[in-house]
Amino acid sequence: AQTVTQSQPEMSVQEAETVTLSCTYDTSENNYYLFWYKQPPSRQMILVIRQEAYKQQNATENRFSVNFQKAAKSFSLKISDSQLGDTAMYFCAFMKLGQFYFGTGTSLTVIP
Amino acid sequence: DAGVIQSPRHEVTEMGQEVTLRCKPISGHNSLFWYRQTMMRGLELLIYFNNNVPIDDSGMPEDRFSAKMPNASFSTLKIQPSEPRDSAVYFCASSFGTRLAETYEQYFGPGTRLTVT
Repeated sequence: AQTVTQSQPEMSVQEAETVTLSCTYDTSENNYYLFWYKQPPSRQMILVIRQEAYKQQNATENRFSVNFQKAAKSFSLKISDSQLGDTAMYFCAFMKLGQFYFGTGTSLTVIP
Repeated sequence: DAGVIQSPRHEVTEMGQEVTLRCKPISGHNSLFWYRQTMMRGLELLIYFNNNVPIDDSGMPEDRFSAKMPNASFSTLKIQPSEPRDSAVYFCASSFGTRLAETYEQYFGPGTRLTVT
């Protein structure tokens, strides 16, 4: 079975600073997908970024980037130039053959 | 595209009553997922359909829970009888893919906040 671990239940960052959220996973699979989802107070789950395991290059979406370390089974999310609107719960997710496995989430607060 | 549509957005009911949550996936998506989110247990997958067929319902907590997908554009999650511990936010999500091939990201609906008193 696949497991996803987010070891930081809560984090905070000053506006305009950079923050990194950690995620590790356990799998015996070689090909899979990893995702970060954001859930703001509105509760809507929003896809932030996606990484294919077969790609060595780290995915980047504007201020969001990942550090994907396949051998270490690590998939951290870096948010640069943090904005107040980044305040949310962030979920790391592993996907293989349509099955998604989510971490328990990290609550991020951006402090003005 | 309107995205994944869920109704109702909020539901308050008394213990013992039947509750039906509804979901309309994104047109063209063939996989549908029901999740339950609580503070204690986080986000839990309840059931997963592919091409209207339930693939994995191992997350359904007990026989009081049932889910159907009569066609590609509609699914229901029913709780009968409801209990206070069922209070949670229930999400529906959809994606495109096949059972044997890879699928891509899931798109979530806005959720239904269920309160059972």
